[in-house]
Amino acid sequence: AQTVTQSQPEMSVQEAETVTLSCTYDTSENNYYLFWYKQPPSRQMILVIRQEAYKQQNATENRFSVNFQKAAKSFSLKISDSQLGDTAMYFCAFVPSGGSYIPTFGRGTSLIVHP
Amino acid sequence: SQTIHQWPATLVQPVGSPLSLECTVEGTSNPNLYWYRQAAGRGLQLLFYSVGIGQISSEVPQNLSASRPQDRQFILSSKKLLLSDSGFYLCAWRSEDEKLFFGSGTQLSVL
Repeated sequence: AQTVTQSQPEMSVQEAETVTLSCTYDTSENNYYLFWYKQPPSRQMILVIRQEAYKQQNATENRFSVNFQKAAKSFSLKISDSQLGDTAMYFCAFVPSGGSYIPTFGRGTSLIVHP
Repeated sequence: SQTIHQWPATLVQPVGSPLSLECTVEGTSNPNLYWYRQAAGRGLQLLFYSVGIGQISSEVPQNLSASRPQDRQFILSSKKLLLSDSGFYLCAWRSEDEKLFFGSGTQLSVL
């Protein structure tokens, strides 16, 4: 069974600064996807970014980028130029590719962006 | 375009009453569908998933059941709600490009 660990229950950052959220996972799978989701106060789960395990290049989406370290089973999210609208819960998720597509989520990190 | 609809947005039900939450997906066929529950301030718990019509897998034994009567419709039900069934329920679907997208959720309060 896979496990996903987000060791930072809460984080805070000043507006316009950079923050990194941590995620580690445990799996025996070789091919999988990793995701970061954002859940603002509206509680809508919004896909932020996806990384495919077979790709060495780190995924980026505008101000959001990841640091994917496959050997270390680490998948951190970097938010650059933080904005007030980035205030939200952030969830890391692991999904094995091929066969059953059963996502496993971490417990989340609450990020507060201060003005 | 592919979209997911989930309703109602909020629901207040008395203990012992039945429940039916509905989720539909548009713009795709035969998607994997999922029901998650999120307790206040907690992570997501997978309740059910479905890979096709009539095919339901349960992840957690509970007071709830799920059905998939049509390809793009996923229903979460209960015959008699318990206080512990309160929570935020999210429907999700697996897109053709292997991403997971969520509906807007239903806040269920059982009183």
